[in-house]
Amino acid sequence: NAGVTQTPKFRVLKTGQSMTLLCAQDMNHEYMYWYRQDPGMGLRLIHYSVGEGTTAKGEVPDGYNVSRLKKQNFLLGLESAAPSQTSVYFCASSYPPRRGNQPQHFGDGTRLSIL
Amino acid sequence: DAKTTQPPSMDCAEGRAANLPCNHSTISGNEYVYWYRQIHSQGPQYIIHGLKNNETNEMASLIITEDRKSSTLILPHATLRDTAVYYCIARSGTASKLTFGTGTRLQVTL
Repeated sequence: NAGVTQTPKFRVLKTGQSMTLLCAQDMNHEYMYWYRQDPGMGLRLIHYSVGEGTTAKGEVPDGYNVSRLKKQNFLLGLESAAPSQTSVYFCASSYPPRRGNQPQHFGDGTRLSIL
Repeated sequence: DAKTTQPPSMDCAEGRAANLPCNHSTISGNEYVYWYRQIHSQGPQYIIHGLKNNETNEMASLIITEDRKSSTLILPHATLRDTAVYYCIARSGTASKLTFGTGTRLQVTL
């Protein structure tokens, strides 16, 4: 059972560089989410998607862009990386809340350091 | 989502029951109580959720008070592998996001 897979697991960037984090899920979930977690803190929602071709802003969207071209994939982009974006990034997916209270399933994270 | 309050840390002896409390005094009628845990640096793992009634699954039991202002997650026989940060989250049935606080760091010891 693959579940939610995040690529890459680790990355070091220089300030100003760009990169894309990939999230893939094989559970046919409509909803997908990107969170970030800073040391000693809980997760904060960056962006989310309620279906293919749709995205929405979360709590901390600035500096990030997302795309959901396929149902199973959700991409998180950093156009010009900043040291403040050093964090662990988690992707999650779930069925829509309207189908009952569906838990979110998380990947194992991408550890991103920006120098 | 209603604010939840948890103790920052707890200890439990291996083999004993771990009882993790959570206060959610402002919870509204359509908000469920969810529990997740995060082991070391892994992604959060769903444990259990409930609305009014007590719930049990293969991982844990969830006891919700009658007034719904607090709940307790019970790990019946804690093992070293249960050492983790446990998050209690109040979430409405239609909400998209989960609001994570700082959770309770459970340390299971020999």
